[in-house]
Amino acid sequence: DGGITQSPKYLFRKEGQNVTLSCEQNLNHDAMYWYRQDPGQGLRLIYYSQIVNDFQKGDIAEGYSVSREKKESFPLTVTSAQKNPTAFYLCASRPYRDRSRNEQFFGPGTRLTVL
Amino acid sequence: KQEVTQIPAALSVPEGENLVLNCSFTDSAIYNLQWFRQDPGKGLTSLLLIQSSQREQTSGRLNASLDKSSGRSTLYIAASQPGDSATYLCAVDSGYALNFGKGTSLLVTP
Repeated sequence: DGGITQSPKYLFRKEGQNVTLSCEQNLNHDAMYWYRQDPGQGLRLIYYSQIVNDFQKGDIAEGYSVSREKKESFPLTVTSAQKNPTAFYLCASRPYRDRSRNEQFFGPGTRLTVL
Repeated sequence: KQEVTQIPAALSVPEGENLVLNCSFTDSAIYNLQWFRQDPGKGLTSLLLIQSSQREQTSGRLNASLDKSSGRSTLYIAASQPGDSATYLCAVDSGYALNFGKGTSLLVTP
């Protein structure tokens, strides 16, 4: 099956701990994205990557880090510097050729809770 | 910065009704507009993508229109069913990533 997988589905973090959320896609998409979703605030962009070994900050990058060593993978680390990390995290990908046709697809999400 | 607004925030209709969800955006220089569906606790499912050169797209009971000059899009759902209950999000591609509205929460009652 082609698609985007995220793991784990639920994640619990203690104060001061770094955690890493996994995102893998087998759609051969060039671009990958991380969003954060909070109730009443919609989706906010954390980081994005258009090609391997390159990534850019989104609107709310503080307290987060990413890597893009392989085309298929775009892990997100939530560091202890992120003061309010409890949220639903969504990974997405899309091709990056004809901009008008670039349909974006999403993974099932990871719910992170700080204990 | 592109701003995307969805009206109404919530909508409740009886089964069988036709309904319209609205999306507006502030910058008409877009590549495309995409409508998504999100069920509680789940990821987003792509419903329709309208390219900037297109006026509408159809998929089954769904029809989405795009008026770039006025910065508006509508999602029309025909003969609504309880299974259509979900949050519907509109997103505009006008740069490096999609800009999302906050969504319309739809409840279709039997």
